[in-house]
Amino acid sequence: QKEVEQDPGPLSVPEGAIVSLNCTYSNSAFQYFMWYRQYSRKGPELLMYTYSSGNKEDGRFTAQVDKSSKYISLFIRDSQPSDSATYLCAIGGNNRLAFGKGNQVVVIP
Amino acid sequence: DADVTQTPRNRITKTGKRIMLECSQTKGHDRMYWYRQDPGLGLRLIYYSFDVKDINKGEISDGYSVSRQAQAKFSLSLESAIPNQTALYFCATSLSGEGGHYNEQFFGPGTRLTVL
Repeated sequence: QKEVEQDPGPLSVPEGAIVSLNCTYSNSAFQYFMWYRQYSRKGPELLMYTYSSGNKEDGRFTAQVDKSSKYISLFIRDSQPSDSATYLCAIGGNNRLAFGKGNQVVVIP
Repeated sequence: DADVTQTPRNRITKTGKRIMLECSQTKGHDRMYWYRQDPGLGLRLIYYSFDVKDINKGEISDGYSVSRQAQAKFSLSLESAIPNQTALYFCATSLSGEGGHYNEQFFGPGTRLTVL
């Protein structure tokens, strides 16, 4: 079983819609939960970072962690064309990160 | 601006050739990483270095070697390139220390490598 599972299917939504992305992980030793955003032809950049169960909000972005279910989510409210990118979940622990495969999100104007 | 740079940005080579990808950073970070990204497989760690004298294998190190020439420089070599090493390669850096600082990794722009 892979450490982090993220269904890599592309997602197209109309502008203004809510985008919902999620990952599952297998190793309870992981303590840190992140979402990275990667624009085309660029390297990934950290978008959201949390280390506890519950919700964390940053503007239009909400990261949600459920440690009991080993499940993390990212929600993007009022999506904009500038949100079109690939979103990778990442789980951290023991001095390393494990990344999901990434979801390509396209927001259509 | 403090940055992570990679050279070359694109490279086409032939099977059996030795090539080197270079990474430099001006962030002053101790830790440096090499990843490869493949469609449908995501980011996978090749090698990582906590400092100049501490280099570790990642999950897919076979066929690769690295050199940490200085705190700011970390190079990746393919001794004898093969077609399944065709991928997008990223260098990244992070702080070390307590509190999970390593989780925020700063990525370079990537090198697109094609092995024919």
